[in-house]
Amino acid sequence: KAGVTQTPRYLIKTRGQQVTLSCSPISGHRSVSWYQQTPGQGLQFLFEYFSETQRNKGNFPGRFSGRQFSNSRSEMNVSTLELGDSALYLCASSAGTNKGNEQFFGPGTRLTVL
Amino acid sequence: AQSVTQLGSHVSVSEGALVLLRCNYSSSVPPYLFWYVQYPNQGLQLLLKYTSAATLVKGINGFEAEFKKSETSFHLTKPSAHMSDAAEYFCAVTGGGANNLFFGTGTRLTVIP
Repeated sequence: KAGVTQTPRYLIKTRGQQVTLSCSPISGHRSVSWYQQTPGQGLQFLFEYFSETQRNKGNFPGRFSGRQFSNSRSEMNVSTLELGDSALYLCASSAGTNKGNEQFFGPGTRLTVL
Repeated sequence: AQSVTQLGSHVSVSEGALVLLRCNYSSSVPPYLFWYVQYPNQGLQLLLKYTSAATLVKGINGFEAEFKKSETSFHLTKPSAHMSDAAEYFCAVTGGGANNLFFGTGTRLTVIP
C-alpha cells in the first residue's frame, strides 16, 4: 500500500505570493491533518479534514486554509506569504477519527519564502 | 489543555548504551501518548503509542515506553543504541480532537561509535 504523498517536495516563493500544497492520503484513509514544522515553533497543528469537512483547526491566521476532496486528497493554501511561513509542512492521514488512531505522515513540503 | 515537555533537546549516547528520552505530559483528560521519530528530510514515523491498555508499551526497532500516571511521564527507552537510531524523537499527546496532536519540542539523539 502506497504511503502518504505530498507534492511538491520543495517550493520557493516570495513574500506576498500565495501557495497551494497537495496531500494524497493512504488509500482508504478519510482523515487528513496538516502540521507546520519550524525550528522556532516546532510542530504545530494546522487543521484536520474528514469526509470533506474541517473537524479541527489550530491557532493559525486565516491566511492558512485547506480543503478536502471526495477522494480524500487534501490541499492547503497559504495566501499573502510572509517570511515566517517558511517551514516544513507535513500532512498525515488516518483511517478514522478515534483517539489512538495512528497517523501516517508524508515526507513533507519544504516551503521557503524569500 | 494538553501539552508535553521533552527534557533535553540533545542526547548523546555511545553505541550499545542505554537510550533514555524523557517526556512529561499534561492533560485534563486521560491521555493518548505517542512517540514519533524523524530522520533527516523525512516525515514522522510512529514508534509506539499508549492508549490506556498496558502501561508498558513496546514499539518498533526495540523501543519501549512506560506510562506512569503518578509521574505524568512517558519516557522512551532502548536497551542498546544502534547507529541507525540517530534521529530526532518527538513525544506527542492528543488534543481536543482525535487527530489533533500536540508535540513536544523534540530530542535529537546522537549515537557515538
